[in-house]
Amino acid sequence: DAKTTQPTSMDCAEGRAANLPCNHSTISGNEYVYWYRQIHSQGPQYIIHGLKNNETNEMASLIITEDRKSSTLILPHATLRDTAVYYCIVRVVGNEKLTFGTGTRLTIIP
Amino acid sequence: GAVVSQHPSRVICKSGTSVKIECRSLDFQATTMFWYRQFPKQSLMLMATSNEGSKATYEQGVEKDKFLINHASLTLSTLTVTSAHPEDSSFYICSALGTDNSPLHFGNGTRLTVT
Repeated sequence: DAKTTQPTSMDCAEGRAANLPCNHSTISGNEYVYWYRQIHSQGPQYIIHGLKNNETNEMASLIITEDRKSSTLILPHATLRDTAVYYCIVRVVGNEKLTFGTGTRLTIIP
Repeated sequence: GAVVSQHPSRVICKSGTSVKIECRSLDFQATTMFWYRQFPKQSLMLMATSNEGSKATYEQGVEKDKFLINHASLTLSTLTVTSAHPEDSSFYICSALGTDNSPLHFGNGTRLTVT
């Protein structure tokens, strides 16, 4: 699976949109971009995934660049409960293993 | 949505004893389950892949005789840490994959402390 690069940490003010970037410049055509988050002492929680089109669900939006070499996870109105480590993962269809990088530690500031 | 239950959430055991951790898929059948380990301030590291009715596949560096995995049904996989030592103290997390194309879902983890 392609490697991803994320900033180590980010802060965001409560109520504002949190934009978390991810670089995956070596992504191949059959690899999806997945986002998970891990709140302290819990298991990872699935957020969203996409192949090449932008995606939105009740939790977040995923914007993937046209060349697919990077993406941004958007939490539209961050709350204190969104404080967590966010992992961007690319995965080949058919390979169900998820390889976690170091992720971005997002802190929501009151 | 898909729910994965892991039990126990915390366990303390003495060095040399064995500990069993259960991972259940509550509302779907999981053909494949994965076991991860996470040390403090580190990311999740995949330990093994467990397929129902067959032997688990272990990642490089993970001792299969120490971390016994059983996946006897489509809703249950167990990880047994045998002859535990303090260095086995960690956060163990399972995940389960359904038979459809739904994303991988994770349990809430088991914090193992070996004294």
